[in-house]
Amino acid sequence: DIQMTQSPSSLSASVGDRVTISCRASQAISSYVNWYQQKPGKAPKLLIFAASSLQSGVPSRFSGSGSGTDFILTISSLQPEDLATYHCQQSYANPQTFGQGTKVEL
Amino acid sequence: QVQLVQSGAEGKTPGASVRVSCKVSGYTFTAHYLHWVRQAPGQGLEWMGRINPNSGDTIYAQKFQGRVTLTRDTSVTTAYMDLSRLRADDTAVYYCAREWELRFDSWGPGTLVTVSS
Repeated sequence: DIQMTQSPSSLSASVGDRVTISCRASQAISSYVNWYQQKPGKAPKLLIFAASSLQSGVPSRFSGSGSGTDFILTISSLQPEDLATYHCQQSYANPQTFGQGTKVEL
Repeated sequence: QVQLVQSGAEGKTPGASVRVSCKVSGYTFTAHYLHWVRQAPGQGLEWMGRINPNSGDTIYAQKFQGRVTLTRDTSVTTAYMDLSRLRADDTAVYYCAREWELRFDSWGPGTLVTVSS
């Protein structure tokens, strides 16, 4: 199985900060990475697909980059509503696997 | 609009089985794979498997092979996840999610399954 390792597991930031979350795959997976935001008690919401494509309706302060084994989710200017846990996912091969999540606190 | 509506919370004893349903609307049921993902309390997301609603073909995570069965009923645009021989560590929220071109673009609200004696 492809392992997805996210870092950090949690972070604390202030409104307006630039936030970056990393995800490393255990093998090369091209650009088959998606990022999800999950708020407490809610289902995950798709933010970024194919490593760098912004899902419709998602604010442009969210962006993704990377290919191969290393991927980054960036929030350019953190907003209060961005308090959530963020998950990366590889869709390169089954079983599709997720990172352990990064909790963003304000 | 696309909607995935899941069945309600379940409380089960160890060794029992559970069925969670996922009724979809707002798109052609047979056009997109449906996946099942679970999340134990305070933990990350864990992929369980997926079904092709058109053919009924399934793929399961090795961890759940022999315990999980995914089925669908096209007449009522509903997918089902059956998990047998439940253990306490199966306590989790179970989600169904629609796949659109290798990403999960719509999710159900989740169904809490609690396993306790």
